[in-house]
Amino acid sequence: AQKITQTQPGMFVQEKEAVTLDCTYDTSDPSYGLFWYKQPSSGEMIFLIYQGSYDQQNATEGRYSLNFQKARKSANLVISASQLGDSAMYFCAMSPYNQGGKLIFGQGTELSVKP
Amino acid sequence: NAGVTQTPKFQVLKTGQSMTLQCAQDMNHNSMYWYRQDPGMGLRLIYYSASEGTTDKGEVPNGYNVSRLNKREFSLRLESAAPSQTSVYFCASSRLPDSNQPQHFGDGTRLSIL
Repeated sequence: AQKITQTQPGMFVQEKEAVTLDCTYDTSDPSYGLFWYKQPSSGEMIFLIYQGSYDQQNATEGRYSLNFQKARKSANLVISASQLGDSAMYFCAMSPYNQGGKLIFGQGTELSVKP
Repeated sequence: NAGVTQTPKFQVLKTGQSMTLQCAQDMNHNSMYWYRQDPGMGLRLIYYSASEGTTDKGEVPNGYNVSRLNKREFSLRLESAAPSQTSVYFCASSRLPDSNQPQHFGDGTRLSIL
């Protein structure tokens, strides 16, 4: 069965430091997409970053980067230079190939940034 | 730019009542999705519409029906609400029904069923 696992229910980081949020996935498909979303306390879902299973390089978007290790089936999100506004829930999601673009979500990690 | 608009934002229902959640997107996207988010959990797919004229079940479709009214609008209907359907409901859309397409989400509908 296809599954996303986020093992860190909560994380703390000091402002201006970097933090890594873990994500592992389970699939037998050779092709898939991996996504990270941010959900602030206001509740909306914000797309952060995408990694394709055949991409050779790790994805980066501003202060966000995705540490993709295909053999280990992990897709960790790295946030550099944390800001107070980064405090939120973060969800890892996978989109299997040829299944209508649907997303399978992990349980989420709550990140708190300390001043 | 509105993006994905969901109505209503909040709703309280009694067990057995019916209601329809509305979703509209103005990004000319082909694919639309309905998810539910229960406390402490990630989102789970209820139904999706890969393109206008098609709908398919997701992971948790029981108790729900959907209608893809046109390219812009995708509604979710609860025929006989149950307390187990208390949740936050999110509508999302993407340009194409492919695994490399990010989905854009509405702000959610908080639904409580008493």
